[in-house]
Amino acid sequence: NAGVMQNPRHLVRRRGQEARLRCSPVKGHSHVYWYRQLPEEGLKFMVYLQKENIIDESGMPKERFSAEFPKEGPSILRIQQVVRGDSAAYFCASSYSGVNTQYFGPGTRLTVL
Amino acid sequence: EDQVTQSPEALRLQEGESSSLNCSYTVSGLRGLFWYRQDPGKGPEFLFTLYSAGEEKEKERLKATLTKKESFLHITAPKPEDSATYLCAVQAAQGGSEKLVFGKGTKLTVNP
Repeated sequence: NAGVMQNPRHLVRRRGQEARLRCSPVKGHSHVYWYRQLPEEGLKFMVYLQKENIIDESGMPKERFSAEFPKEGPSILRIQQVVRGDSAAYFCASSYSGVNTQYFGPGTRLTVL
Repeated sequence: EDQVTQSPEALRLQEGESSSLNCSYTVSGLRGLFWYRQDPGKGPEFLFTLYSAGEEKEKERLKATLTKKESFLHITAPKPEDSATYLCAVQAAQGGSEKLVFGKGTKLTVNP
C-alpha cells in the first residue's frame, strides 16, 4: 500500500515567487494535515482539511498561505510571494478519521533564495 | 495552551545500554499521545499511540508508557539502527481540532 506521497521533494524558489506543494493521502484517508518544521524547531501544525473543506487553519499565517483539498486530486499548500523565512520542511499527514493516527509523508523541503 | 516538553534534547548511548526518553505534557483533555521516529531528511514514522494513564505498548526494543502528566519511551539494549530523533505529540480531546502538538524531540545516537 502506498503511503502519503508528497511532491516535489525539494523546491527552490526566489523571493517573490509562488511555491505549490502537493500531497496525496493514503488511499482511503479523507483527512489531511499540513505541518511545518523549521531548522532546530519542532513540527508546527498549519492546517487541517477534509475533502473540499478547511476544518482548522489556526496555525497558518493569514497572508500569503492557502490550502485546499479538492474532491478530486491531491491537497495543495500554496505560498505566494515567498520570503526567506518560508524556508523549511513542509510535511503532510493523513488519517482515516480525525481520531485516528496521522501518517506522515516524506516532506517537501522549500528553499527560498 | 497545549504544550509538550521532551528531555533530554540529545542522548548518546553505547550499543546495549538501556535508557528512557521523557515527554511531559499539558493538554486540555488528552485524546491521545503519539510517539514518532524521524530519520534525517525523512518524515516522521509512527511508533505508538497511548490513550489513557497506565497504558503500555511495546515494539521490538521500544516500550512506551503513559501517566497523567508524562510519557516515557524506554529503549532496551539499543542498536546503532535505533539512532534517530524521537518525537512526542499530543492530541487534545476538546476544541474540535484534530491537530497534533509536538515536542522538539530527543536526538538519540547509539554508538557501536
